[in-house]
Amino acid sequence: GAGVSQSPSNKVTEKGKDVELRCDPISGHTALYWYRQSLGQGLEFLIYFQGNSAPDKSGLPSDRFSAERTGGSVSTLTIQRTQQEDSAVYLCASSLGGLPGELFFGEGSRLTVL
Amino acid sequence: KQEVTQIPAALSVPEGENLVLNCSFTDSAIYNLQWFRQDPGKGLTSLLLIQSSQREQTSGRLNASLDKSSGRSTLYIAASQPGDSATYLCAVANQAGTALIFGKGTTLSVSS
Repeated sequence: GAGVSQSPSNKVTEKGKDVELRCDPISGHTALYWYRQSLGQGLEFLIYFQGNSAPDKSGLPSDRFSAERTGGSVSTLTIQRTQQEDSAVYLCASSLGGLPGELFFGEGSRLTVL
Repeated sequence: KQEVTQIPAALSVPEGENLVLNCSFTDSAIYNLQWFRQDPGKGLTSLLLIQSSQREQTSGRLNASLDKSSGRSTLYIAASQPGDSATYLCAVANQAGTALIFGKGTTLSVSS
């Protein structure tokens, strides 16, 4: 596609439910990144994919968070048993081959946990 | 651990002023430095990318400089316009070279 596409753009869920957030990177981009942006906080790195493997998942905050990427393209971030502190905007980015290449971001998925 | 700091946190200027946003980072062994713009409720838009071997990059009214030895970058905006109002973020690679580490941004407001 022309840009990084994320869905849903907004998600409201109840505490304890599982959620899935989807990212469709720019066609041909092998590197994909997930970030989280909480109110008043900076962007927090979650996980980096190169192809279908994740060389760096050091930013995942707990074992409730997981992500996968299939076909070297679409990625899904899954949050299990959501908590209120998971409320944030989840941003996905892609780049042609990883750093030092330029990162391109999607519009984000805003998650609200009630 | 790489840390990125941006000052000021917020800045208000009248239209037409030239202004400078500052970014500092703790580890000078960087791959590159990237400046982004974020409008409220939106994703990030890449403004300028400076590779580690470069000293500056220019795009229109924007000029970004990089001084690796001192761990600093500046974003210069010439002849500011109300449409420049946004949050500006700088980012450098983490030590593993796997992801960008972001500062908390400078929120710019340009009044007409």
